Amino acid sequence: SQQGEEDPQALSIQEGENATMNCSYKTSINNLQWYRQNSGRGLVHLILIRSNEREKHSGRLRVTLDTSKKSSSLLITASRAADTASYFCATWEDSNYQLIWGAGTKLIIKP
Amino acid sequence: GAGVSQSPSNKVTEKGKDVELRCDPISGHTALYWYRQSLGQGLEFLIYFQGNSAPDKSGLPSDRFSAERTGGSVSTLTIQRTQQEDSAVYLCASSFRAANEKLFFGSGTQLSVL
Repeated sequence: SQQGEEDPQALSIQEGENATMNCSYKTSINNLQWYRQNSGRGLVHLILIRSNEREKHSGRLRVTLDTSKKSSSLLITASRAADTASYFCATWEDSNYQLIWGAGTKLIIKP
Repeated sequence: GAGVSQSPSNKVTEKGKDVELRCDPISGHTALYWYRQSLGQGLEFLIYFQGNSAPDKSGLPSDRFSAERTGGSVSTLTIQRTQQEDSAVYLCASSFRAANEKLFFGSGTQLSVL
């Protein structure tokens, strides 16, 4: 079953603008991860934030986690055409052996 | 190996035929996952291996689907008597341990059942 829910489902912005995607989940988690998928094939891990962390940065990526609201956001600053992809959040539940995936946000960066 | 390797990259088959999809995980990774993704959709969990054991097979869509892993390394996903609704991208991923870690994905196998 899919626990994570991303919004928006699709986002189209101009190159250079910032892109924000949100993810909500339902149960207690150990960590939350964001992945990128280009052209419907393999996913690439972007960033992992643990349940006791509130914010994490990696290059142009900024992830926040609000466990009280059971939500996370992924911010991509100064977007580039190469950022065009689908972005998925996934959560490790405290008592599970698998990642629970959201349906993804399709991001299009217009040149 | 350097990454997770899946073969074939693309597979076109006729309805009713059997297919085998292969996944070669990163060396030393004990956990291996199979997912299915239909066009424009999210990931559907199929099965998970810890070593050679599959603790939970409940994600497999029907008894036409089976998977095995040998030597704690290569895994094969077999679909018998393929149906058109089996058409999808089949993704394999591995991680060093079973839980709380990031997954490394292969490039997937695009299966088309005609």
